[in-house]
Formats: sequence, C-alpha cells, structure tokens
Amino acid sequence: DAGVIQSPRHEVTEMGQEVTLRCKPISGHDYLFWYRQTMMRGLELLIYFNNNVPIDDSGMPEDRFSAKMPNASFSTLKIQPSEPRDSAVYFCASSFEGDPWGYTFGSGTRLTVV
Amino acid sequence: AQSVTQLDSQVPVFEEAPVELRCNYSSSVSVYLFWYVQYPNQGLQLLLKYLSGSTLVKGINGFEAEFNKSQTSFHLRKPSVHISDTAEYFCAVSKTSYDKVIFGPGTSLSVIP
Repeated sequence: DAGVIQSPRHEVTEMGQEVTLRCKPISGHDYLFWYRQTMMRGLELLIYFNNNVPIDDSGMPEDRFSAKMPNASFSTLKIQPSEPRDSAVYFCASSFEGDPWGYTFGSGTRLTVV
Repeated sequence: AQSVTQLDSQVPVFEEAPVELRCNYSSSVSVYLFWYVQYPNQGLQLLLKYLSGSTLVKGINGFEAEFNKSQTSFHLRKPSVHISDTAEYFCAVSKTSYDKVIFGPGTSLSVIP
C-alpha cells in the first residue's frame, strides 16, 4: 500500500493566486481529514469527510478555503485567493470506521505564499 | 468539547537518560488517546494509542504511556533516549479510534549527545 499520497510536496505561489492541494487516501478508507500545521497554531483540523460527504467544516478559516471529495480516492483543498498568512504545512489523513490504529497521515504539502 | 494540554513545549535531555513528556486532556465523554511523533520535514506517525484495557500502553521505539483517568493524564515515557528520538511529539484525543482527532500543541524533544 502506498499510503496517503499528497501533491505537490512543496508549493510557492504569489499572493492572490489560486492554490489547489491534492490528496489520495488509502484505498478502503472512508474517512478523510485535512489539517493545517503552523508554528503559531499547531495542528488544526480544517475539515473532514465520511464517505465523500463533508461532516465538519467548522475549522475552515474563511470563505477563501474550500474542499471537495468527488470520489472515494481523491480530495482537493483549494485556497482562492491565497494570502501570505496561509503559508503552512497542510496534511491529509485517512482512516476507516473501526480502524484500531487511528489515522494514516500523508507527508504534507508545504505552502508558501509570497 | 475535548482539549489536550502538553505542559512542556520543549524538553532537552541527554542521550541515554530517561524522559517523560506530559499530557493532560479534558473531555465530558470517554476518549481514546494517542501519541504521535513527527520527525523533521515529515508527516505524523502513530507511536501508541490507548483505547481500553490495560492502562500501561507500549508503543514503537521503546516508548510507553500510562493512562490515568483520575488525573486525566496520558504521559509518555522512555527509559533511555537516543539521538534519533529528537522530534516533535503530539498527544491527541478522540471519541473513537478513527474519527475527528484533537491534537495538543506538541512537545519538542531534543536529545543532546
């Protein structure tokens, strides 16, 4: 199993540009989570899905952020327009109902907005 | 609502010395508890978890943690640390083993040669 796959690993973009982060969960996992990690705020849960349906998006900072899960094997997190304060590492994680081992995390996308 | 407190933001320790990283949680319901490790420029990896049963939980790399319900604590210990243990350690809580997880702020462990 290739694990949770995130792309790109690094993204540098200019303020005001649209950014799309991608995640492929482990096959068979029906939960998918997006986290943001910064020095100031630590690990924040942005949104999570169950069976492709958003369950809790209360952590999404503002309307500039949106997330979709069109099918069980793919999710995107989009920021439009991007701002320097969005610079962070964005992690995707997946699990399945009854998973005794908890989440499997991806390697993250380091986003820098200049 | 659930929350996690990690009392020490940074813990320096000499190689081969013992270490304890402290974690306290608050929750109005029964919880599952986790410790994750994050090595530099990597994702998070599960060290160990407490779901039920024995309050002493053993994990990977020689780490163990003890669940104390009365003190709402889940401290992480290792009797002898190695340079390779230098990393960020996160305590986390969840209502299930697979659902929404709330992470603590993290403790940076630095092992000094």
